[in-house]
Amino acid sequence: TQLLEQSPQFLSIQEGENLTVYCNSSSVFSSLQWYRQEPGEGPVLLVTVVTGGEVKKLKRLTFQFGDARKDSSLHITAAQPGDTGLYLCAGVAGGNTPLVFGKGTRLSVIA
Amino acid sequence: DAGVTQSPTHLIKTRGQQVTLRCSPISGHKSVSWYQQVLGQGPQFIFQYYEKEERGRGNFPDRFSARQFPNYSSELNVNALLLGDSALYLCASSLDVRTLGATQYFGPGTRLLVL
Repeated sequence: TQLLEQSPQFLSIQEGENLTVYCNSSSVFSSLQWYRQEPGEGPVLLVTVVTGGEVKKLKRLTFQFGDARKDSSLHITAAQPGDTGLYLCAGVAGGNTPLVFGKGTRLSVIA
Repeated sequence: DAGVTQSPTHLIKTRGQQVTLRCSPISGHKSVSWYQQVLGQGPQFIFQYYEKEERGRGNFPDRFSARQFPNYSSELNVNALLLGDSALYLCASSLDVRTLGATQYFGPGTRLLVL
């Protein structure tokens, strides 16, 4: 069973601060996706990373896939209240296997 | 274009009852997956359907079943409800049908409460 451990579980920061959340596993993933989920809604895809060492930027969000494709990080610069939500990482182990999700990091950005 | 739609948005049932949840995928998407998200957890894969055929099943009991219709919409059925079935049930559609792990586009979910 492939497990994705996300840390921290909860994070509360002031507007303007930077933060990093982590997604780690002992398994290798062929691709990894990051989603944001707001209360009462389904997860919304932010990015997919597929190459070890890959870095993708989406405005103030920077995503990195580890060289060994076992871990990933999400860095947010100058966080805003609109960044508040549950950040989920999900990986595909390869072959015809479904997405495996972590438990998520719940981020609260206070104005 | 409309995203994935699900109905109903909320549902309250009692133990032992049966429930049917409905999902319409994004136009042009032929693959539909169902996930269960218990409070405080990430979504957990239940089923994937493509062209009315089950392509994958997660670790869920036989009380859970699903089907897909010719218009690619789908229903998830849960029989003999247990308190532990209380969760947000998410439907996702995918354009890529080659693998179960293709990029998923999620609907808003149906929140089921079993009393």
